[in-house]
Amino acid sequence: ETGVTQTPRHLVMGMTNKKSLKCEQHLGHNAMYWYKQSAKKPLELMFVYNFKEQTENNSVPSRFSPECPNSSHLFLHLHTLQPEDSALYLCASSPALAGGAYEQYFGPGTRLTVT
Amino acid sequence: AQSVSQHNHHVILSEAASLELGCNYSYGGTVNLFWYVQYPGQHLQLLLKYFSGDPLVKGIKGFEAEFIKSKFSFNLRKPSVQWSDTAEYFCAVRSGNTGKLIFGQGTTLQVKP
Repeated sequence: ETGVTQTPRHLVMGMTNKKSLKCEQHLGHNAMYWYKQSAKKPLELMFVYNFKEQTENNSVPSRFSPECPNSSHLFLHLHTLQPEDSALYLCASSPALAGGAYEQYFGPGTRLTVT
Repeated sequence: AQSVSQHNHHVILSEAASLELGCNYSYGGTVNLFWYVQYPGQHLQLLLKYFSGDPLVKGIKGFEAEFIKSKFSFNLRKPSVQWSDTAEYFCAVRSGNTGKLIFGQGTTLQVKP
């Protein structure tokens, strides 16, 4: 496979459940990102990792917990979510964090519904 | 704080019509500019980007955008749209010092055959 993959593609969970979203990039990139895409709102950056180290937490509630075991994999652990957390969660990667003429490559997203 | 504004939220055009989608940003320093497209059921993909040099950049599928620094704008254009251009279009800005991308809220383009 090439590019950025995300699993699962769809997830329905109750407010008391614990689940995890997985992202994998096959591009040899060093920076990875989690975004939240809600209807009628701009994409919101949630977390940034650079060489496995978290460099940004954009005031995300603690019920979202990211994990980056290596530069190719990124997880988003979810627990005790609220219905307003229902959204499309996008993962992206880029060769580096800054300083170069490159773009971010996005995965297809996980459509999350919290009931 | 940086922000990106896309003025057109929903645009409906007939095939062969010309397209211009507005994008303005607020940031005074060096910026990198992007337009991404999201076709129905598909992931976000890059249309074009500007980093430096010629302010008129050409992207895939006949799209182009012009960076006008004095107007803080990066409008997207296509002279003749096709039905297959139906999608959501996002403008994004990255400050030269960080990797943080700030997105506009998107423009939904519907092209009628």
